[in-house]
Amino acid sequence: NAGVTQTPKFQVLKTGQSMTLQCAQDMNHNSMYWYRQDPGMGLRLIYYSASEGTTDKGEVPNGYNVSRLNKREFSLRLESAAPSQTSVYFCASSEMETQYFGPGTRLLVL
Amino acid sequence: GESVGLHLPTLSVQEGDNSIINCAYSNSASDYFIWYKQESGKGPQFIIDIRSNMDKRQGQRVTVLLNKTVKHLSLQIAATQPGDSAVYFCAPVLPGRRALTFGSGTRLQVQP
Repeated sequence: NAGVTQTPKFQVLKTGQSMTLQCAQDMNHNSMYWYRQDPGMGLRLIYYSASEGTTDKGEVPNGYNVSRLNKREFSLRLESAAPSQTSVYFCASSEMETQYFGPGTRLLVL
Repeated sequence: GESVGLHLPTLSVQEGDNSIINCAYSNSASDYFIWYKQESGKGPQFIIDIRSNMDKRQGQRVTVLLNKTVKHLSLQIAATQPGDSAVYFCAPVLPGRRALTFGSGTRLQVQP
């Protein structure tokens, strides 16, 4: 099992560009999450999906959209990237309370 | 909501010593607690968990202690190894909630 996979690993964007971060899990988990982590800080929840077909806002949803494509995949979209969105983005999945994290996507917005 | 605080942002220990990482939480309704380890450049990795009906749980070289009276938990690592160097987060969970709340973490540095 690969667990939680994320693509791309690294990305550099210019202000105003758009991009989609991809996440997939092979553990048959119902719930999936997107977090961001800024230097020296903990993770903050952007959006989550409790089950296929549902999505909900987390703590810092502004500037992002998500799509729960199917049970395996949960994507995060930045429509118009801003320098404040420079961060490391982690996807996670869970069946119960324990969440399992992917390796992260490092995003730099210039 | 839930806020999470940590007593020591950086903990430096000698290889072979025992490490204790502390975590305070604010919401007494939290009924489940998870410790994660995050190595540099990687995602958080589950270490151990404990439910609120327990006050101690042991794993391989790790022990978590929960004191609900003072809303405090600790992670003890026995015979700390260089591979234990990482940032450690505790994440309290409220009943019915799936989203985790992370503090800034404690960085553990193991000196050879």
